[in-house]
Amino acid sequence: QKEVEQNSGPLSVPEGAIASLNCTYSDRVSQSFFWYRQYSGKSPELIMSIYSNGDKEDGRFTAQLNKASQYVSLLIRDSQPSDSATYLCAVDSSTDSWGKLQFGAGTQVVVTP
Amino acid sequence: DGGITQSPKYLFRKEGQNVTLSCEQNLNHDAMYWYRQDPGQGLRLIYYSQIVNDFQKGDIAEGYSVSREKKESFPLTVTSAQKNPTAFYLCASSFQGSSTDTQYFGPGTRLTVL
Repeated sequence: QKEVEQNSGPLSVPEGAIASLNCTYSDRVSQSFFWYRQYSGKSPELIMSIYSNGDKEDGRFTAQLNKASQYVSLLIRDSQPSDSATYLCAVDSSTDSWGKLQFGAGTQVVVTP
Repeated sequence: DGGITQSPKYLFRKEGQNVTLSCEQNLNHDAMYWYRQDPGQGLRLIYYSQIVNDFQKGDIAEGYSVSREKKESFPLTVTSAQKNPTAFYLCASSFQGSSTDTQYFGPGTRLTVL
């Protein structure tokens, strides 16, 4: 069974600080990685996708991918109360070119004023 | 506005009943997906479809059925064979269904068995 592991949290972060979220995956051939944000009772919304080793920045968010170590992380800089949500890591788990995602259980982030 | 719609938002089912959840998209996406989310758990794939009139079982297809008669529509039926159907059901779509495509989600349907 292919697995995607995340710390469930809650991760408590002071407003203005950096939140660091980690995700490890078991399938060495995974090529596509996604971070979604999910507010309580709502559906997931995409924050960022990453496909190559290294960092990818988008505004206050930075995704980091290390395929050799099989982990992907998300940094949230200058955390705001509106960032309080559950963050889902999703990893491509398909054995062919079709897109099948395996999701982690999510990390709950709480930004405290 | 382009997007994915799901209806109803809340659904209550009695034991032994079949219910159908609607999912419609006007994004002109080829691929559509159904997921189930239980409290404290990640999303689990029920069924997916890359093209009209074709669909594949996901990881937890037992007790569910789908159809894909139109590109825009991918309804999910929760049958009485599904032993524990209370969950949050999410429909998603992606451009062509490739492994690099982003999946976009509808607002979800919360199903409760009475």
